[in-house]
Amino acid sequence: NAGVTQTPKFRVLKTGQSMTLLCAQDMNHEYMYWYRQDPGMGLRLIHYSVGEGTTAKGEVPDGYNVSRLKKQNFLLGLESAAPSQTSVYFCASRLYGQQETQYFGPGTRLLVL
Amino acid sequence: AQKVTQAQTEISVVEKEDVTLDCVYETRDTTYYLFWYKQPPSGELVFLIRRNSFDEQNEISGRYSWNFQKSTSSFNFTITASQVVDSAVYFCALSFTGNQFYFGTGTSLTVIP
Repeated sequence: NAGVTQTPKFRVLKTGQSMTLLCAQDMNHEYMYWYRQDPGMGLRLIHYSVGEGTTAKGEVPDGYNVSRLKKQNFLLGLESAAPSQTSVYFCASRLYGQQETQYFGPGTRLLVL
Repeated sequence: AQKVTQAQTEISVVEKEDVTLDCVYETRDTTYYLFWYKQPPSGELVFLIRRNSFDEQNEISGRYSWNFQKSTSSFNFTITASQVVDSAVYFCALSFTGNQFYFGTGTSLTVIP
């Protein structure tokens, strides 16, 4: 039982390049989330998914796209990376129900030059 | 409107001192859940505690204790006899109607040996 895993752990991009971050969970959780963490800003929600094939925008969705083709995977895409997207990205998952705890992956550190 | 406020950005204490981290939340829902997470220097986010809005009993777990007061919309976290290993960023979070979590901006705690 690996919990929530994220790939890659670290990446450097040039402005304008694209990439996809992969989040995988093996806990059969319905909900999955992508956050970014910036100094002094805490965790801000980018997009989330309440089930396979469904996604929704969070607080800071611009410049990102997501897909949830399989229940266990949640992909975060950057079509044209910008320096403002330099951040640490966290994926989280949880069971259905507002009382349920979110469990986080280890994070992906992204640097856009 | 900010839903979770952690007014203390940084706190430093000397080892063995007690320290309280403040969390003030905002919601109109009568059913909601409050959480604390710890982020040590290694970067991962570790779940510490969950509290529902109907249970105002304080909770103690070893050196950690939590004080939930609906009258002041606060969910404060106290570490007794702090240790160097407690040095981390601590996040308070809120979950209510809907699928999102709302995180505070975090409090960075440094315990000086």
